[in-house]
Amino acid sequence: GESVGLHLPTLSVQEGDNSIINCAYSNSASDYFIWYKQESGKGPQFIIDIRSNMDKRQGQRVTVLLNKTVKHLSLQIAATQPGDSAVYFCAATTSGTYKYIFGTGTRLKVLA
Amino acid sequence: DSGVTQTPKHLITATGQRVTLRCSPRSGDLSVYWYQQSLDQGLQFLIQYYNGEERAKGNILERFSAQQFPDLHSELNLSSLELGDSALYFCASSGWGNEKLFFGSGTQLSVL
Repeated sequence: GESVGLHLPTLSVQEGDNSIINCAYSNSASDYFIWYKQESGKGPQFIIDIRSNMDKRQGQRVTVLLNKTVKHLSLQIAATQPGDSAVYFCAATTSGTYKYIFGTGTRLKVLA
Repeated sequence: DSGVTQTPKHLITATGQRVTLRCSPRSGDLSVYWYQQSLDQGLQFLIQYYNGEERAKGNILERFSAQQFPDLHSELNLSSLELGDSALYFCASSGWGNEKLFFGSGTQLSVL
């Protein structure tokens, strides 16, 4: 079923450093993955996605890595900025199911 | 702007009351999802509709119901409200499935 986190883990990074946020998924049939950013009081905002036929995808300052063997994906943010402070969620879905499983979320704090 | 519209943005009501939350999906999107997010928690999936039909159910209480109308907008009805129902309620939409979800800005429900 859907994953709901009761306590969000926190990652604190220094401004300008790189951030790595991790996510594990349980369903080996999952074939599409999405990272979302959620700022306080706002709806989740799409950052980047990746399909299971890829291991890596890059966007502007963000990279998503997918390891299907261990069912793990990560979001890398280069040169983290104060505006990156938010909660980050990963989501996984399987073709034809219309069902999206969300990770528990990680709160990213950028220290000046 | 995600293109998903949710109204109202804020709702304050009393225990035992009934409220209706409204969502208009992005133009062309056939799927609508409802999620509940309590303070500092992840996204809890409630229910999904595709082109007017219920497709998937999550942890939705019996006091809650939803529907999707022919014009594809959706309403989430919450009745016999309890203090614990206070949360952010998000609507998201997608097209065919196995695509990114676009989230609205949410309805903040406060039950007093």
